[in-house]
Amino acid sequence: RKEVEQDPGPFNVPEGATVAFNCTYSNSASQSFFWYRQDCRKEPKLLMSVYSSGNEDGRFTAQLNRASQYISLLIRDSKLSDSATYLCVVNGASNTGKLIFGQGTTLQVKP
Amino acid sequence: GAGVSQSPSNKVTEKGKDVELRCDPISGHTALYWYRQSLGQGLEFLIYFQGNSAPDKSGLPSDRFSAERTGGSVSTLTIQRTQQEDSAVYLCASSLSLGLYEQYFGPGTRLTVT
Repeated sequence: RKEVEQDPGPFNVPEGATVAFNCTYSNSASQSFFWYRQDCRKEPKLLMSVYSSGNEDGRFTAQLNRASQYISLLIRDSKLSDSATYLCVVNGASNTGKLIFGQGTTLQVKP
Repeated sequence: GAGVSQSPSNKVTEKGKDVELRCDPISGHTALYWYRQSLGQGLEFLIYFQGNSAPDKSGLPSDRFSAERTGGSVSTLTIQRTQQEDSAVYLCASSLSLGLYEQYFGPGTRLTVT
Protein backbone atom coordinates (compact mmCIF):
# COMPACT_ATOMS: atom_id res chain seq x y z
CA ARG A 1 0.00 0.00 0.00
CA LYS A 2 1.34 3.45 -0.88
CA GLU A 3 2.00 5.80 2.03
CA VAL A 4 -0.11 8.54 0.44
CA GLU A 5 -2.84 7.64 -2.03
CA GLN A 6 -4.76 9.88 -4.34
CA ASP A 7 -7.17 9.35 -7.20
CA PRO A 8 -5.02 10.29 -10.21
CA GLY A 9 -8.00 11.53 -12.22
CA PRO A 10 -8.03 13.34 -14.55
CA PHE A 11 -10.88 15.46 -13.35
CA ASN A 12 -12.36 17.39 -16.27
CA VAL A 13 -14.71 20.12 -15.08
CA PRO A 14 -16.28 23.24 -16.59
CA GLU A 15 -15.38 26.69 -15.38
CA GLY A 16 -17.31 27.61 -12.26
CA ALA A 17 -17.67 24.04 -11.06
CA THR A 18 -16.86 22.84 -7.56
CA VAL A 19 -14.44 19.94 -7.42
CA ALA A 20 -13.16 17.87 -4.50
CA PHE A 21 -10.00 15.84 -4.20
CA ASN A 22 -9.39 13.18 -1.60
CA CYS A 23 -6.30 11.62 -0.19
CA THR A 24 -5.54 8.94 2.39
CA TYR A 25 -2.31 8.34 4.27
CA SER A 26 -1.11 5.20 5.99
CA ASN A 27 1.04 6.43 8.87
CA SER A 28 -1.17 7.42 11.77
CA ALA A 29 1.78 9.18 13.44
CA SER A 30 2.09 11.72 10.61
CA GLN A 31 1.98 15.23 11.98
CA SER A 32 1.68 17.76 9.21
CA PHE A 33 -0.15 17.84 5.93
CA PHE A 34 -0.10 19.99 2.84
CA TRP A 35 -1.56 20.45 -0.60
CA TYR A 36 0.89 21.44 -3.31
CA ARG A 37 0.10 22.39 -6.87
CA GLN A 38 2.35 21.38 -9.76
CA ASP A 39 2.04 22.77 -13.25
CA CYS A 40 3.45 20.83 -16.20
CA ARG A 41 7.28 20.77 -16.11
CA LYS A 42 7.36 23.09 -13.11
CA GLU A 43 8.25 22.65 -9.46
CA PRO A 44 5.59 21.97 -6.81
CA LYS A 45 4.24 25.12 -5.23
CA LEU A 46 2.71 25.15 -1.78
CA LEU A 47 -1.03 25.71 -2.01
CA MET A 48 -1.95 25.39 1.63
CA SER A 49 -1.23 23.61 4.86
CA VAL A 50 -3.99 21.41 6.26
CA TYR A 51 -5.09 21.63 9.87
CA SER A 52 -7.42 19.48 11.93
CA SER A 53 -9.80 22.39 12.33
CA GLY A 54 -9.97 22.81 8.57
CA ASN A 55 -8.78 25.88 6.77
CA GLU A 56 -9.90 28.05 3.93
CA ASP A 57 -8.02 30.31 1.55
CA GLY A 58 -10.31 32.06 -0.87
CA ARG A 59 -11.88 29.45 -3.12
CA PHE A 60 -9.85 26.63 -1.58
CA THR A 61 -10.84 24.66 1.53
CA ALA A 62 -8.76 21.89 3.07
CA GLN A 63 -9.90 19.38 5.67
CA LEU A 64 -8.09 16.78 7.73
CA ASN A 65 -9.68 13.80 9.44
CA ARG A 66 -7.03 12.19 11.63
CA ALA A 67 -9.27 9.34 12.74
CA SER A 68 -9.85 8.27 9.14
CA GLN A 69 -6.38 9.38 7.96
CA TYR A 70 -8.07 11.32 5.23
CA ILE A 71 -7.33 14.72 3.69
CA SER A 72 -9.48 16.66 1.27
CA LEU A 73 -9.25 19.73 -0.92
CA LEU A 74 -12.31 21.56 -2.22
CA ILE A 75 -12.04 24.09 -5.02
CA ARG A 76 -15.05 26.30 -5.59
CA ASP A 77 -15.82 28.35 -8.69
CA SER A 78 -13.07 26.68 -10.73
CA LYS A 79 -11.00 28.89 -13.03
CA LEU A 80 -9.10 27.89 -16.15
CA SER A 81 -5.93 28.76 -14.25
CA ASP A 82 -6.69 26.08 -11.66
CA SER A 83 -5.76 23.42 -14.24
CA ALA A 84 -2.77 21.61 -12.73
CA THR A 85 -1.81 18.53 -10.76
CA TYR A 86 -2.64 18.69 -7.07
CA LEU A 87 -0.30 16.84 -4.75
CA CYS A 88 -1.33 15.56 -1.34
CA VAL A 89 1.72 15.69 0.90
CA VAL A 90 2.38 14.28 4.36
CA ASN A 91 5.28 14.96 6.66
CA GLY A 92 6.76 11.79 8.14
CA ALA A 93 6.30 11.11 11.81
CA SER A 94 9.95 11.46 12.75
CA ASN A 95 9.95 15.24 12.36
CA THR A 96 12.76 14.99 9.88
CA GLY A 97 10.97 17.14 7.37
CA LYS A 98 10.84 14.26 4.90
CA LEU A 99 7.78 14.89 2.77
CA ILE A 100 5.89 11.98 1.30
CA PHE A 101 4.03 12.85 -1.86
CA GLY A 102 0.97 11.30 -3.38
CA GLN A 103 1.04 10.64 -7.09
CA GLY A 104 -1.12 13.70 -7.69
CA THR A 105 -4.59 14.37 -9.05
CA THR A 106 -4.83 16.07 -12.41
CA LEU A 107 -7.45 18.79 -12.84
CA GLN A 108 -8.43 20.20 -16.22
CA VAL A 109 -10.84 23.11 -16.13
CA LYS A 110 -12.51 23.74 -19.47
CA PRO A 111 -14.27 26.86 -20.74
CA GLY B 1 12.45 37.94 -1.59
CA ALA B 2 14.47 35.46 -3.61
CA GLY B 3 13.27 31.90 -3.67
CA VAL B 4 15.23 28.68 -3.88
CA SER B 5 17.53 28.64 -6.87
CA GLN B 6 19.10 25.66 -8.60
CA SER B 7 21.71 25.26 -11.27
CA PRO B 8 22.04 24.18 -13.93
CA SER B 9 18.43 24.16 -15.06
CA ASN B 10 19.21 21.44 -17.59
CA LYS B 11 22.08 19.01 -17.80
CA VAL B 12 22.75 16.43 -20.48
CA THR B 13 25.58 14.05 -19.74
CA GLU B 14 26.97 10.83 -21.07
CA LYS B 15 26.59 7.62 -19.14
CA GLY B 16 29.53 7.14 -16.80
CA LYS B 17 30.28 10.82 -16.28
CA ASP B 18 29.98 12.61 -12.93
CA VAL B 19 27.58 15.51 -12.43
CA GLU B 20 27.15 18.17 -9.75
CA LEU B 21 23.84 19.84 -9.06
CA ARG B 22 23.66 22.99 -6.99
CA CYS B 23 20.99 24.39 -4.70
CA ASP B 24 20.87 27.80 -3.07
CA PRO B 25 18.13 27.90 -0.41
CA ILE B 26 16.02 30.81 0.75
CA SER B 27 18.10 33.09 2.94
CA GLY B 28 17.62 32.25 6.61
CA HIS B 29 16.30 28.74 5.97
CA THR B 30 18.31 26.26 7.98
CA ALA B 31 16.79 23.08 6.57
CA LEU B 32 17.40 21.93 3.01
CA TYR B 33 16.03 18.89 1.17
CA TRP B 34 16.70 17.07 -2.08
CA TYR B 35 14.01 15.17 -3.99
CA ARG B 36 13.83 13.73 -7.46
CA GLN B 37 10.97 13.23 -9.85
CA SER B 38 11.30 10.71 -12.63
CA LEU B 39 9.13 10.99 -15.73
CA GLY B 40 5.53 10.24 -14.82
CA GLN B 41 6.48 9.39 -11.25
CA GLY B 42 5.87 11.01 -7.93
CA LEU B 43 8.46 12.90 -5.94
CA GLU B 44 11.01 10.74 -4.15
CA PHE B 45 12.82 12.03 -1.06
CA LEU B 46 16.62 11.75 -1.22
CA ILE B 47 18.25 13.53 1.71
CA TYR B 48 17.84 16.42 4.14
CA PHE B 49 20.22 18.81 5.87
CA GLN B 50 19.82 20.66 9.12
CA GLY B 51 22.60 23.19 8.96
CA ASN B 52 25.51 21.34 7.37
CA SER B 53 24.56 17.99 8.83
CA ALA B 54 22.81 15.17 6.95
CA PRO B 55 21.93 12.60 9.63
CA ASP B 56 20.08 10.21 7.35
CA LYS B 57 21.47 9.21 3.97
CA SER B 58 19.24 6.18 3.54
CA GLY B 59 17.09 7.86 0.90
CA LEU B 60 19.97 8.17 -1.55
CA PRO B 61 19.38 5.59 -4.33
CA SER B 62 22.92 4.23 -4.39
CA ASP B 63 26.43 4.94 -3.18
CA ARG B 64 27.03 6.84 -6.41
CA PHE B 65 24.97 9.64 -4.90
CA SER B 66 26.38 12.03 -2.33
CA ALA B 67 25.44 15.45 -1.03
CA GLU B 68 27.06 18.13 1.02
CA ARG B 69 26.18 21.50 2.38
CA THR B 70 28.62 24.19 3.43
CA GLY B 71 28.21 27.33 5.47
CA GLY B 72 24.63 26.36 6.25
CA SER B 73 23.68 27.57 2.80
CA VAL B 74 24.51 26.15 -0.63
CA SER B 75 24.20 22.42 -1.15
CA THR B 76 25.64 20.21 -3.88
CA LEU B 77 24.25 16.86 -4.97
CA THR B 78 26.85 14.78 -6.79
CA ILE B 79 26.12 11.75 -8.91
CA GLN B 80 29.13 9.69 -9.89
CA ARG B 81 29.29 7.38 -12.89
CA THR B 82 25.82 8.40 -14.04
CA GLN B 83 23.44 5.77 -15.37
CA GLN B 84 20.41 6.21 -17.62
CA GLU B 85 18.07 5.49 -14.72
CA ASP B 86 19.44 8.61 -13.02
CA SER B 87 17.60 10.73 -15.61
CA ALA B 88 15.05 12.76 -13.68
CA VAL B 89 14.28 16.23 -12.38
CA TYR B 90 16.21 16.89 -9.18
CA LEU B 91 14.38 19.28 -6.90
CA CYS B 92 15.72 21.13 -3.91
CA ALA B 93 13.54 22.60 -1.18
CA SER B 94 14.21 24.63 1.93
CA SER B 95 12.30 25.42 5.09
CA LEU B 96 12.75 27.72 8.04
CA SER B 97 13.84 24.83 10.20
CA LEU B 98 13.68 21.07 10.26
CA GLY B 99 10.41 19.31 10.96
CA LEU B 100 6.89 20.46 10.36
CA TYR B 101 7.60 23.70 8.52
CA GLU B 102 6.41 24.32 5.00
CA GLN B 103 8.94 23.57 2.29
CA TYR B 104 9.53 25.77 -0.74
CA PHE B 105 10.90 24.23 -3.90
CA GLY B 106 13.38 25.45 -6.45
CA PRO B 107 12.78 25.12 -10.20
CA GLY B 108 14.76 21.89 -10.40
CA THR B 109 17.57 20.55 -12.54
CA ARG B 110 16.47 18.34 -15.41
CA LEU B 111 19.16 15.67 -15.80
CA THR B 112 19.33 13.57 -18.92
CA VAL B 113 21.86 10.75 -19.12
CA THR B 114 22.48 9.55 -22.66
